[in-house]
Amino acid sequence: ETGVTQSPTHLIKTRGQQVTLRCSSQSGHNTVSWYQQALGQGPQFIFQYYREEENGRGNFPPRFSGLQFPNYSSELNVNALELDDSALYLCASSPRLAGEETQYFGPGTRLLVL
Amino acid sequence: GENVEQHPSTLSVQEGDSAVIKCTYSDSASNYFPWYKQELGKGPQLIIDIRSNVGEKKDQRIAVTLNKTAKHFSLHITETQPEDSAVYFCAASSNNFNKFYFGSGTKLNVKP
Repeated sequence: ETGVTQSPTHLIKTRGQQVTLRCSSQSGHNTVSWYQQALGQGPQFIFQYYREEENGRGNFPPRFSGLQFPNYSSELNVNALELDDSALYLCASSPRLAGEETQYFGPGTRLLVL
Repeated sequence: GENVEQHPSTLSVQEGDSAVIKCTYSDSASNYFPWYKQELGKGPQLIIDIRSNVGEKKDQRIAVTLNKTAKHFSLHITETQPEDSAVYFCAASSNNFNKFYFGSGTKLNVKP
């Protein structure tokens, strides 16, 4: 059983550019959540995808968007990058079963916006 | 929305001592409380969790307690070891398989 994987591991972009981050969920998990973790802080919920539909969103602007594919992998897209978007972006997957609320995190993608 | 507060922000203990990290939450609908350990350069790793129908859960050197009335829960690590050094996060979630609200983290340093 493979865990949650994310790519790339690191990324440097300039302000105004667009970025796409990728996540493969753990085997058997149909739900993917994305979090932003600024340096020295706890993860902040961006949004969640379940069965290819957005299923909840945190306080992030529309330039943060996502996709989930039939194999449950997911993408996070950020348009018009701002300096404050520099952070560790975490993907978490879960099986969405009663009694199985746990979310399992990937290693993250560290994004630096210059 | 939910607000999770975590204390202390840093904790330094001697190897073999116990460590306690405390969290409070604001939303009485929250009913699932996981704890994560995050090592440098890695994603958070689940170490223990508790549901609101249970007051205490233990797994070897790690235990979590929950007081629903006071809306607080705590992580207890006994016989600490240098490899326990990391940042620990508490989180809270309501029963909708949705977002986790995280605390701000506690940096634990276990001195040999």
